[in-house]
Amino acid sequence: KNEVEQSPQNLTAQEGEFITINCSYSVGISALHWLQQHPGGGIVSLFMLSSGKKKHGRLIATINIQEKHSSLHITASHPRDSAVYICAVRGGADGLTFGKGTHLIIQP
Amino acid sequence: NAGVTQTPKFRVLKTGQSMTLLCAQDMNHEYMYWYRQDPGMGLRLIHYSVGEGTTAKGEVPDGYNVSRLKKQNFLLGLESAAPSQTSVYFCASSFNRDTQYFGPGTRLTVL
Repeated sequence: KNEVEQSPQNLTAQEGEFITINCSYSVGISALHWLQQHPGGGIVSLFMLSSGKKKHGRLIATINIQEKHSSLHITASHPRDSAVYICAVRGGADGLTFGKGTHLIIQP
Repeated sequence: NAGVTQTPKFRVLKTGQSMTLLCAQDMNHEYMYWYRQDPGMGLRLIHYSVGEGTTAKGEVPDGYNVSRLKKQNFLLGLESAAPSQTSVYFCASSFNRDTQYFGPGTRLTVL
C-alpha cells in the first residue's frame, strides 16, 4: 500500500507570497494528482501528472519520479486560494490513495 | 451537463437502518468510485467500478455493497448502518484512469 505524506499540514501566508506544498510517496506510481477542496467541501482536480511539470494560471505542479516527490506551487497567492490541497497517487487499476491534505490560508 | 451528482446531500440514520446512496454522471465515464472522508484522515476508497456491471473492493469495503447496473449510475448501500460509518461520502468518475470528477458529497450521520 502506498503511503502518501504531505507537508506542511497547515500553512498561513500573506497575500502575494509564493506558496509551496510538498508530497512524497513510498511506492512507484503511474500518476499523481493534485486536488483542491474548498471550505464548502467540493473537490476539484487541479493536475494529473506522471513526469515533469505542468502549469495552469498561477499554479505549477512538478514531479520527480526517481525521488518519489511532487510539489505544488502557487505564485502571487490570493485569499481565494485558501483551501485544502490534496495530493493523491494512482498505482494500478484501483482508485487513488490520498494524502491527508494541506490546509492553506491566505490572509489579505 | 450536470457532471457528477449525489443523492441525498445529507442523511441521519439510526444504528441498524439501511440506506442507498446514489451517484449519477452524465459524462459517459467508464470508471466510477466511492470514497469516504473522515476528520484527520485522507479520502479512502470504498469500492470502484471499471464499467457497467463490474464492481471491485477498495481499501475499506467492509459494511458496504455497491452496484453498477447502468453505466451512468453507481449505488452505494449500507445494509446495517453503524456509528463508524458516520462520514462524508464522495463519488467520482473518470473516462479512463485519468482526471477524476467528484460529486458534491453526502454527509451521513449514524446515531
